[in-house]
Amino acid sequence: GNSVTQMEGPVTLSEEAFLTINCTYTATGYPSLFWYVQYPGEGLQLLLKATKADDKGSNKGFEATYRKETTSFHLEKGSVQVSDSAVYFCARGGNTDKLIFGTGTRLQVFP
Amino acid sequence: NAGVTQTPKFQVLKTGQSMTLQCAQDMNHEYMSWYRQDPGMGLRLIHYSVGAGITDQGEVPNGYNVSRSTTEDFPLRLLSAAPSQTSVYFCASSYGSKETQYFGPGTRLLVL
Repeated sequence: GNSVTQMEGPVTLSEEAFLTINCTYTATGYPSLFWYVQYPGEGLQLLLKATKADDKGSNKGFEATYRKETTSFHLEKGSVQVSDSAVYFCARGGNTDKLIFGTGTRLQVFP
Repeated sequence: NAGVTQTPKFQVLKTGQSMTLQCAQDMNHEYMSWYRQDPGMGLRLIHYSVGAGITDQGEVPNGYNVSRSTTEDFPLRLLSAAPSQTSVYFCASSYGSKETQYFGPGTRLLVL
């Protein structure tokens, strides 16, 4: 079936550490891939996206590359800040008209 | 633009009561959807619509009804609330499922 799997949290890091949050997907065809972020007490907002294989989405220092061969879209940031503390959701949208989210990964960054 | 608006922000219901969660958008988006967010479960798609007059089921549709009589509005109805429907509900809209989704601020629902 079509699904999105992302690593469980929480992920706890010190400021300026390197971040990776893994995301893999299953889908037929060529879905679009997204990372959304939810700050405490707020709704979700788009962080970045990629619409075809080998595309790299980037925003606010975060990056993710659409890897068709490994069906992955891992989120990375070279140096996290306390303000990056939030819940991050990987999502897949496409052929079936359904946008499907992963379970979310909570990131906690300490000074 | 107001974006995506949801009302109410918070609601308490008793088991068996009915209610409608409102969602509206002013961006002329064809695609609208409802999600519920539960701890450890992420966001799960309840129902979605690809345009006025067209709706379809998502991953967890049982206990919920929707209709899409206009492009702007996409209400979610609970016909007989159950404690298992205690959750935070988010409405979203976009030009399509492959496009960026714009989320409302959410409705927190407590069913006693």
